[in-house]
Amino acid sequence: DAGITQSPRHKVTETGTPVTLRCHQTENHRYMYWYRQDPGHGLRLIHYSYGVKDTDKGEVSDGYSVSRSKTEDFLLTLESATSSQTSVYFCATSDRGNTEAFFGQGTRLTVV
Amino acid sequence: AQKVTQAQTEISVVEKEDVTLDCVYETRDTTYYLFWYKQPPSGELVFLIRRNSFDEQNEISGRYSWNFQKSTSSFNFTITASQVVDSAVYFCALSEAIIQGAQKLVFGQGTRLTINP
Repeated sequence: DAGITQSPRHKVTETGTPVTLRCHQTENHRYMYWYRQDPGHGLRLIHYSYGVKDTDKGEVSDGYSVSRSKTEDFLLTLESATSSQTSVYFCATSDRGNTEAFFGQGTRLTVV
Repeated sequence: AQKVTQAQTEISVVEKEDVTLDCVYETRDTTYYLFWYKQPPSGELVFLIRRNSFDEQNEISGRYSWNFQKSTSSFNFTITASQVVDSAVYFCALSEAIIQGAQKLVFGQGTRLTINP
């Protein structure tokens, strides 16, 4: 398994505050992804990166931004947290486009 | 648009029974990949299998087997002689090419499998 570490693992935050989630990988994988998991929706792609400083939007990107200044780190920022962003967030990496993605352990975020 | 349907929301069986999880997908791509992931109660996502669209051979790995049928756009997963440790949510996923080689995974809604002792 790829060494993928997400931090924090759990967070409770207030509506309107900015929040940053971190994904750190030790496998030198080119591609990194942020997904959110919600009941009834499976996992949905928020943002992804195909290289350092190369990022793009996924299907549920509103209210989120990302940055990737180093190969190993991919940050997800909720600019102003809302209750609808209460979710479990997963980071994933892959070394080539058609290979399997490996997932981090997830971050449970609650916005109150 | 790509779509994955796992019609079985929850399945409950008694240990040692065989169980099949259904997955039906929609895609216009001629080349694509299908995946199964397991999410145990601890919450992490564990990769189980990847299958490309050109390989319709069934695959067996221990008690797990997968039946890929392109004609019916299905990629079903069977657990033989189920065990309590198989209890988890199982996700089927389909790859969708985005840009620069990145691949988005389109997930089904998941099937919660409970194996009762």
